[in-house]
Amino acid sequence: GIQVEQSPPDLILQEGANSTLRCNFSDSVNNLQWFHQNPWGQLINLFYIPSGTKQNGRLSATTVATERYSLLYISSSQTTDSGVYFCAVGWGVRAGNQFYFGTGTSLTVIP
Amino acid sequence: NAGVTQTPKFRVLKTGQSMTLLCAQDMNHEYMYWYRQDPGMGLRLIHYSVGEGTTAKGEVPDGYNVSRLKKQNFLLGLESAAPSQTSVYFCASSYSLRAAEAFFGQGTRLTVV
Repeated sequence: GIQVEQSPPDLILQEGANSTLRCNFSDSVNNLQWFHQNPWGQLINLFYIPSGTKQNGRLSATTVATERYSLLYISSSQTTDSGVYFCAVGWGVRAGNQFYFGTGTSLTVIP
Repeated sequence: NAGVTQTPKFRVLKTGQSMTLLCAQDMNHEYMYWYRQDPGMGLRLIHYSVGEGTTAKGEVPDGYNVSRLKKQNFLLGLESAAPSQTSVYFCASSYSLRAAEAFFGQGTRLTVV
């Protein structure tokens, strides 16, 4: 299978601060997504980003597929950003039809 | 538009009992997946399906069976529940895996006592 590593594992921010979350993966893939799991356990799609850069409001993401990493940027953080952020990758020679998750970055935004 | 719906949302089983979790999607997606989420371990794939009538094993398939008799439904069965199967179960679907987003249900919290 594919190894997906996320860093940092835990992050505590003051409201209004910026942060960068990283996702490294061990092999070539054709699908990469970022999810936010809110405190109620719901998984929310943030970005489908197998390559390139996308922005959605205060969030943006960049994937450099050739170097096997992706970054999620959160600017001007709010308490509602708290939760766990997951990177998931899939579809490639080693991934096959499977979708592999990292262990997540747990973010706490304090007022 | 309901998206991906899981039934039930919560369940408590006794060791040795059986149950079936239902996942239904209304997006006409070909691919469907069952994951389990345990503390500190992210989500791990149990079984998946690339189309009606097909299923395949994922990372952690032991103790589970699945069926995809209709395109919109993907069932996960536990024949003889064990405490190690206490977890949160998520179902997901996507149009394809290569070039499309996966969408998740709200999860099922299962406790085996």
